Amino acid sequence: EDKVVQSPLSLVVHEGDTVTLNCSYEVTNFRSLLWYKQEKKAPTFLFMLTSSGIEKKSGRLSSILDKKELSSILNITATQTGDSAIYLCAVFTSGTYKYIFGTGTRLKVLA
Amino acid sequence: GAVVSQHPSRVICKSGTSVKIECRSLDFQATTMFWYRQFPKQSLMLMATSNEGSKATYEQGVEKDKFLINHASLTLSTLTVTSAHPEDSSFYICSAIRGTGYNEQFFGPGTRLTVL
Repeated sequence: EDKVVQSPLSLVVHEGDTVTLNCSYEVTNFRSLLWYKQEKKAPTFLFMLTSSGIEKKSGRLSSILDKKELSSILNITATQTGDSAIYLCAVFTSGTYKYIFGTGTRLKVLA
Repeated sequence: GAVVSQHPSRVICKSGTSVKIECRSLDFQATTMFWYRQFPKQSLMLMATSNEGSKATYEQGVEKDKFLINHASLTLSTLTVTSAHPEDSSFYICSAIRGTGYNEQFFGPGTRLTVL
């Protein structure tokens, strides 16, 4: 059975801290891994990763995929209170053509 | 951009009634749309894959007679929760795939259903 697991489940940090969120997967026919940020409504897209070892960066956020380890990390540097959200990892499989979501990591950044 | 709308954003209904939720891709054609359900403090759970012009594919454990999905056109999919009960109260989110690339899914804003 395809599975995506995120860790930690929740995290509380102070503004300015750096955080690393983890996503590991066990799926057949891996095609891509996506990161989303969810605040009060639907998730918003952050990154899509398909190739191992290539870092994607957007401002203070960056992410990288390791296909050998079947995992990805999402880094947030100099965290701000506005980064407080649930971060979701999803893997798209070409065999079943669907996205499998991980458990999510709930991040809270304190002022 | 690629915009997906959902209507209504919030609905409260009595137990036993049916509720229809619409998902529209506003500026692109979507051959495939997904319907997810999200319980408080939990991740998204895929309910079904909706393909234009064909029957939806339901995930294991999702009752197709309970959650009716109709993908009537390339820009519209509907989810009808039939004979709703309090345990159906949840946040329902749709997403649409632009073209056939499957590179990114665009989410609707979600519908919060409360069944009294």
